[in-house]
Amino acid sequence: EPEVTQTPSHQVTQMGQEVILRCVPISNHLYFYWYRQILGQKVEFLVSFYNNEISEKSEIFDDQFSVERPDGSNFTLKIRSTKLEDSAMYFCASSVPNEKLFFGSGTQLSVL
Amino acid sequence: EDKVVQSPLSLVVHEGDTVTLNCSYEVTNFRSLLWYKQEKKAPTFLFMLTSSGIEKKSGRLSSILDKKELFSILNITATQTGDSAIYLCAVEGQTGANNLFFGTGTRLTVIP
Repeated sequence: EPEVTQTPSHQVTQMGQEVILRCVPISNHLYFYWYRQILGQKVEFLVSFYNNEISEKSEIFDDQFSVERPDGSNFTLKIRSTKLEDSAMYFCASSVPNEKLFFGSGTQLSVL
Repeated sequence: EDKVVQSPLSLVVHEGDTVTLNCSYEVTNFRSLLWYKQEKKAPTFLFMLTSSGIEKKSGRLSSILDKKELFSILNITATQTGDSAIYLCAVEGQTGANNLFFGTGTRLTVIP
């Protein structure tokens, strides 16, 4: 079965540093998403992306966050200046319209 | 505010038992309800429900949606230790783009 791949699986960074989380969605999918899950809490929607632009974003997705599809296959989440509270598991997902989301295995981000 | 509530929060059963997991929701412009299983990292898809009263079944798992009472149940019969996981209920609401609003999950532990 096709799958969403994410790299790296773990990322450790210092507070204030920029991080880029990378995702390769399933090739024929058109919608791309980032979700996050803080340890012990529920999975939270961050942003959805369609047709090379953000289609929806949550309150969590503030000016520190940005997404990009730089080359037609990768989908990235950038956090400009990381904070301690950004520590979480970040999941990328992709889908075709009105169908289930396929999730990647996640990137565990630890901000020290 | 959109809300998805799952119960119980955790459940411990013996192999062979049958379990019922509950999910109630309040979502603007409901489109669909999805169940995911989260073992180690990535939530893996189980069911997508859009219509009331139609049971979806996959092996020992089944699920049904009640759009009038705004809830869904996930049943697992003859549980096995491999069913141990967090079961996530997510609802797609608002406007399009498959954005999911997750509940906190039910942690199921099946002991031999």
